[in-house]
Amino acid sequence: SQTIHQWPATLVQPVGSPLSLECTVEGTSNPNLYWYRQAAGRGLQLLFYSIGIDQISSEVPQNLSASRPQDRQFILSSKKLLLSDSGFYLCAWSEQGWEQFFGPGTRLTVL
Amino acid sequence: SQQGEEDPQALSIQEGENATMNCSYKTSINNLQWYRQNSGRGLVHLILIRSNEREKHSGRLRVTLDTSKKSSSLLITASRAADTASYFCATDAGGTYKYIFGTGTRLKVLA
Repeated sequence: SQTIHQWPATLVQPVGSPLSLECTVEGTSNPNLYWYRQAAGRGLQLLFYSIGIDQISSEVPQNLSASRPQDRQFILSSKKLLLSDSGFYLCAWSEQGWEQFFGPGTRLTVL
Repeated sequence: SQQGEEDPQALSIQEGENATMNCSYKTSINNLQWYRQNSGRGLVHLILIRSNEREKHSGRLRVTLDTSKKSSSLLITASRAADTASYFCATDAGGTYKYIFGTGTRLKVLA
């Protein structure tokens, strides 16, 4: 069966520090991968999605970037965090045309 | 703006009552999905309905889709306290690889 891992679960970082969130999927090949951000009590904002290695689309201009170094690994990064980057970050995978499966999320607080 | 908008934003009912949530979207879709999110957790897929389907059932869940009105509804029958969560609709934005989520309905079921 397929599983999705996301870490860390929580993170507190100072403004201006770098960020690296990792997401890995097991039990499937060539999944579509997604990063979302969710502000408190709000809906999900799609940040990046990837349909293959080196195929990453950005949805929202910001100081975040994403990379997919391996087929089932998706990384969200920032060189310098802003206060507005605080939120709940969710990674998800899917096969085209089917439902998404979400990781447990990372709660990021930027101070 | 969000592709999907849920209505109402919040709903409070007594255990045993039915809960109905609505979702409206803007562009053509191949499928629409409903997800559930418990506080501070990742999203869990509930049901997927394709654009050529009008109604779908899964246990106590009933989803309808009206593509002419670009709307969907999620009905939870005989609600339980454990159904307390936020519910989101998501569309595939016209068959693209990305999914667009609505703002969610916060359901509270009182025991």
